[in-house]
Amino acid sequence: GQQVMQIPQYQHVQEGEDFTTYCNSSTTLSNIQWYKQRPGGHPVFLIQLVKSGEVKKQKRLTFQFGEAKKNSSLHITATQTTDVGTYFCASNTGKLIFGQGTTLQVKP
Amino acid sequence: DAGVIQSPRHEVTEMGQEVTLRCKPISGHNSLFWYRQTMMRGLELLIYFNNNVPIDDSGMPEDRFSAKMPNASFSTLKIQPSEPRDSAVYFCASSSNRGVNTIYFGEGSWLTVV
Repeated sequence: GQQVMQIPQYQHVQEGEDFTTYCNSSTTLSNIQWYKQRPGGHPVFLIQLVKSGEVKKQKRLTFQFGEAKKNSSLHITATQTTDVGTYFCASNTGKLIFGQGTTLQVKP
Repeated sequence: DAGVIQSPRHEVTEMGQEVTLRCKPISGHNSLFWYRQTMMRGLELLIYFNNNVPIDDSGMPEDRFSAKMPNASFSTLKIQPSEPRDSAVYFCASSSNRGVNTIYFGEGSWLTVV
Protein backbone atom coordinates (compact mmCIF):
# COMPACT_ATOMS: atom_id res chain seq x y z
CA GLY A 1 0.00 0.00 0.00
CA GLN A 2 0.89 3.63 -0.23
CA GLN A 3 3.39 4.69 2.43
CA VAL A 4 5.03 7.96 3.29
CA MET A 5 8.41 8.22 5.01
CA GLN A 6 9.22 11.24 7.10
CA ILE A 7 12.57 12.65 8.26
CA PRO A 8 14.00 13.57 10.63
CA GLN A 9 12.30 11.76 13.48
CA TYR A 10 13.35 14.41 16.02
CA GLN A 11 14.65 17.93 15.77
CA HIS A 12 15.82 20.23 18.54
CA VAL A 13 16.28 23.87 17.62
CA GLN A 14 16.96 27.11 19.41
CA GLU A 15 14.08 29.53 19.38
CA GLY A 16 14.42 31.71 16.32
CA GLU A 17 16.09 29.06 14.18
CA ASP A 18 14.39 27.57 11.14
CA PHE A 19 13.03 24.02 10.94
CA THR A 20 12.22 21.72 8.04
CA THR A 21 10.64 18.29 7.89
CA TYR A 22 10.54 16.15 4.76
CA CYS A 23 8.06 13.60 3.54
CA ASN A 24 8.85 11.08 0.79
CA SER A 25 6.94 8.42 -1.09
CA SER A 26 8.04 5.79 -3.58
CA THR A 27 4.79 6.26 -5.47
CA THR A 28 3.04 9.30 -6.86
CA LEU A 29 0.69 10.86 -4.36
CA SER A 30 -2.68 12.26 -5.31
CA ASN A 31 -2.41 14.72 -2.44
CA ILE A 32 -0.52 15.32 0.76
CA GLN A 33 -1.92 16.62 4.02
CA TRP A 34 -0.03 18.00 6.99
CA TYR A 35 -1.12 17.73 10.61
CA LYS A 36 0.27 19.03 13.90
CA GLN A 37 -0.08 17.25 17.21
CA ARG A 38 0.77 19.15 20.37
CA PRO A 39 2.13 17.12 23.32
CA GLY A 40 -0.80 15.32 24.93
CA GLY A 41 -3.14 16.46 22.15
CA HIS A 42 -4.62 15.10 18.98
CA PRO A 43 -3.61 15.63 15.34
CA VAL A 44 -4.99 18.83 13.87
CA PHE A 45 -5.22 19.50 10.15
CA LEU A 46 -2.92 22.21 8.82
CA ILE A 47 -3.15 22.09 5.04
CA GLN A 48 -3.63 19.99 1.92
CA LEU A 49 -1.51 20.15 -1.24
CA VAL A 50 -2.78 18.72 -4.49
CA LYS A 51 -0.96 20.22 -7.45
CA SER A 52 2.52 19.38 -8.68
CA GLY A 53 5.00 21.99 -7.44
CA GLU A 54 2.41 23.64 -5.23
CA VAL A 55 3.61 26.01 -2.51
CA LYS A 56 1.36 27.31 0.25
CA LYS A 57 2.13 29.57 3.18
CA GLN A 58 0.54 30.00 6.57
CA LYS A 59 2.33 32.83 8.39
CA ARG A 60 5.75 31.35 9.24
CA LEU A 61 4.93 27.93 7.78
CA THR A 62 5.70 27.09 4.13
CA PHE A 63 4.45 23.88 2.58
CA GLN A 64 5.72 22.47 -0.72
CA PHE A 65 4.62 19.60 -2.92
CA GLY A 66 7.29 18.22 -5.24
CA GLU A 67 7.08 18.42 -9.00
CA ALA A 68 6.80 14.65 -9.26
CA LYS A 69 4.26 14.56 -6.42
CA LYS A 70 6.42 12.09 -4.52
CA ASN A 71 7.72 14.38 -1.82
CA SER A 72 6.69 17.28 0.33
CA SER A 73 8.21 19.55 2.92
CA LEU A 74 7.14 21.80 5.76
CA HIS A 75 9.42 24.70 6.65
CA ILE A 76 9.00 26.88 9.72
CA THR A 77 10.82 30.20 9.75
CA ALA A 78 12.05 31.59 13.06
CA THR A 79 10.59 28.93 15.33
CA GLN A 80 8.76 29.86 18.50
CA THR A 81 8.04 27.77 21.58
CA THR A 82 4.43 27.49 20.41
CA ASP A 83 5.66 25.47 17.43
CA VAL A 84 6.56 22.54 19.70
CA GLY A 85 4.84 19.31 18.72
CA THR A 86 4.88 16.51 16.20
CA TYR A 87 4.29 17.28 12.55
CA PHE A 88 2.83 14.55 10.38
CA CYS A 89 2.46 14.28 6.66
CA ALA A 90 -0.28 12.02 5.43
CA SER A 91 -1.50 10.63 2.16
CA ASN A 92 -5.26 10.75 1.81
CA THR A 93 -6.77 8.17 -0.51
CA GLY A 94 -10.08 7.98 1.30
CA LYS A 95 -8.24 6.69 4.32
CA LEU A 96 -5.42 8.70 5.85
CA ILE A 97 -2.03 7.00 6.06
CA PHE A 98 0.41 8.90 8.25
CA GLY A 99 4.13 9.24 8.12
CA GLN A 100 6.05 8.58 11.32
CA GLY A 101 6.11 12.25 12.22
CA THR A 102 8.84 14.71 13.14
CA THR A 103 8.88 15.83 16.75
CA LEU A 104 10.07 19.40 17.16
CA GLN A 105 11.52 20.70 20.40
CA VAL A 106 12.24 24.43 20.68
CA LYS A 107 14.64 25.70 23.33
CA PRO A 108 13.77 29.19 24.54
CA ASP B 1 -20.22 22.78 16.27
CA ALA B 2 -19.19 19.88 18.49
CA GLY B 3 -16.15 18.02 17.32
CA VAL B 4 -15.58 14.27 17.42
CA ILE B 5 -16.48 13.09 20.89
CA GLN B 6 -14.78 10.12 22.48
CA SER B 7 -15.29 8.34 25.75
CA PRO B 8 -13.83 7.43 28.09
CA ARG B 9 -10.93 9.90 27.99
CA HIS B 10 -8.87 7.73 30.29
CA GLU B 11 -9.23 4.10 31.30
CA VAL B 12 -7.09 1.83 33.40
CA THR B 13 -8.10 -1.81 33.35
CA GLU B 14 -6.73 -5.16 34.32
CA MET B 15 -5.45 -7.65 31.80
CA GLY B 16 -8.22 -9.92 30.59
CA GLN B 17 -10.99 -7.37 31.03
CA GLU B 18 -13.18 -6.16 28.19
CA VAL B 19 -12.66 -2.58 27.06
CA THR B 20 -15.18 -0.59 25.05
CA LEU B 21 -14.26 2.75 23.53
CA ARG B 22 -16.97 4.98 22.15
CA CYS B 23 -17.09 7.63 19.48
CA LYS B 24 -19.58 10.15 18.19
CA PRO B 25 -18.46 11.60 14.84
CA ILE B 26 -19.16 15.10 13.64
CA SER B 27 -22.75 15.36 12.44
CA GLY B 28 -22.99 15.00 8.67
CA HIS B 29 -19.66 13.25 8.29
CA ASN B 30 -19.95 9.92 6.52
CA SER B 31 -16.49 8.46 7.12
CA LEU B 32 -15.26 7.32 10.50
CA PHE B 33 -11.77 6.11 11.42
CA TRP B 34 -10.20 4.41 14.42
CA TYR B 35 -6.46 5.01 14.94
CA ARG B 36 -4.08 3.75 17.60
CA GLN B 37 -1.01 5.71 18.64
CA THR B 38 2.02 4.37 20.49
CA MET B 39 5.59 5.57 20.78
CA MET B 40 6.87 2.49 19.00
CA ARG B 41 4.42 2.26 16.11
CA GLY B 42 3.21 5.82 15.67
CA LEU B 43 -0.29 6.45 14.31
CA GLU B 44 -1.82 3.27 12.92
CA LEU B 45 -5.14 3.08 11.11
CA LEU B 46 -7.11 0.21 12.60
CA ILE B 47 -10.37 0.38 10.66
CA TYR B 48 -12.52 2.82 8.78
CA PHE B 49 -16.19 3.00 7.92
CA ASN B 50 -17.98 4.77 5.12
CA ASN B 51 -21.70 5.31 5.48
CA ASN B 52 -21.63 2.97 8.51
CA VAL B 53 -20.11 0.10 6.51
CA PRO B 54 -16.64 -1.19 7.37
CA ILE B 55 -14.44 -0.58 4.33
CA ASP B 56 -10.98 -1.58 5.47
CA ASP B 57 -10.20 -3.42 8.68
CA SER B 58 -6.76 -4.64 7.63
CA GLY B 59 -5.18 -2.65 10.46
CA MET B 60 -7.10 -4.44 13.21
CA PRO B 61 -4.38 -6.27 15.14
CA GLU B 62 -6.17 -9.52 15.87
CA ASP B 63 -9.46 -11.14 16.71
CA ARG B 64 -9.49 -9.56 20.14
CA PHE B 65 -10.34 -6.27 18.46
CA SER B 66 -13.73 -5.52 16.96
CA ALA B 67 -15.44 -2.35 15.80
CA LYS B 68 -19.04 -1.53 15.03
CA MET B 69 -20.94 1.40 13.66
CA PRO B 70 -24.65 0.73 14.22
CA ASN B 71 -25.67 4.19 12.98
CA ALA B 72 -24.22 7.39 11.57
CA SER B 73 -23.70 8.98 14.97
CA PHE B 74 -22.06 6.23 16.99
CA SER B 75 -19.20 3.76 16.81
CA THR B 76 -17.48 1.44 19.26
CA LEU B 77 -14.09 -0.20 19.39
CA LYS B 78 -13.98 -3.23 21.65
CA ILE B 79 -11.00 -5.16 22.97
CA GLN B 80 -11.74 -8.52 24.55
CA PRO B 81 -9.73 -9.74 26.35
CA SER B 82 -7.38 -6.81 26.83
CA GLU B 83 -3.61 -7.24 27.18
CA PRO B 84 -0.88 -4.88 28.45
CA ARG B 85 0.42 -4.41 24.88
CA ASP B 86 -2.92 -2.83 23.99
CA SER B 87 -1.99 0.19 26.11
CA ALA B 88 -2.09 3.17 23.77
CA VAL B 89 -4.05 6.24 22.82
CA TYR B 90 -6.99 5.37 20.61
CA PHE B 91 -8.25 8.14 18.36
CA CYS B 92 -11.54 8.28 16.57
CA ALA B 93 -11.75 10.61 13.57
CA SER B 94 -14.34 11.54 11.02
CA SER B 95 -14.52 13.25 7.66
CA SER B 96 -16.90 14.32 4.98
CA ASN B 97 -16.51 13.00 1.46
CA ARG B 98 -16.99 16.51 0.13
CA GLY B 99 -14.34 19.15 -0.47
CA VAL B 100 -10.85 18.90 0.98
CA ASN B 101 -11.66 15.70 2.87
CA THR B 102 -10.03 16.92 6.07
CA ILE B 103 -10.05 14.35 8.84
CA TYR B 104 -11.04 15.64 12.28
CA PHE B 105 -9.75 13.82 15.32
CA GLY B 106 -11.30 13.38 18.72
CA GLU B 107 -9.22 14.01 21.81
CA GLY B 108 -8.46 10.33 22.20
CA SER B 109 -9.02 7.60 24.74
CA TRP B 110 -5.93 6.89 26.81
CA LEU B 111 -5.96 3.18 27.65
CA THR B 112 -3.67 1.52 30.17
CA VAL B 113 -3.91 -2.24 30.66
CA VAL B 114 -2.10 -3.50 33.74
